[in-house]
Amino acid sequence: EIVLTQSPATLSLSPGERATLSCRSSQSVSSFLAWYQQRPGQAPRLLIYDASNRATGIPARFSGSGSGTDFTLTISSLEPEDFAVYYCQQRSNWPLTFGGGTKVDI
Amino acid sequence: EVQLVESGGGLIQPGGSLRLSCAASGFTVSSNYMSWVRQAPGKGLEWISFISTSSSKYYADSVRGRFTISRDNAKNSLYLQMNSLRDEDTAVYYCAGSDWYLWGQGTLVTVSS
Repeated sequence: EIVLTQSPATLSLSPGERATLSCRSSQSVSSFLAWYQQRPGQAPRLLIYDASNRATGIPARFSGSGSGTDFTLTISSLEPEDFAVYYCQQRSNWPLTFGGGTKVDI
Repeated sequence: EVQLVESGGGLIQPGGSLRLSCAASGFTVSSNYMSWVRQAPGKGLEWISFISTSSSKYYADSVRGRFTISRDNAKNSLYLQMNSLRDEDTAVYYCAGSDWYLWGQGTLVTVSS
């Protein structure tokens, strides 16, 4: 099973600041990595697929990069609605797996 | 409106069975890859099952042999039959499809005596 390790567990920032979230895989997943945002009480929302492609309707301040085992989600300038938990997910191998999440809070 | 709506959750005793449903509207379940994902209280996301358009099925080790994914094309619905339930199966269960763009609101399953 591929293990995804997200860091940091919590990121404390202010609106307007840049957020950089990391996801490291225990083995290569090529570019088959996605990022999700989950706000309290809501279902996850797809942000990024295939490591760097923004999902439809996702603002340009969200960007993804990386390949192989190291991936990054960047939020260029935090908006109030961006304070949430972010998960990475690999779709390279069965079973599909999620990282443990990074909470972005104020 | 395109949406997925889960139902069937509730309180069940350990060892019991439950069937979750995921009804789709504005979206064809049989034409899409579909998954079930769960989230234990206060915890992260866990993928548990997948069904392809050709009906290939995959399961997480934690549920293989106990849970079964299926769909009913006539009812445009996805299902998760859960048997031999354990305390650790307590979670909100989400269905997801359309290349992970579309998620339901989740249904809570509580396994407790």
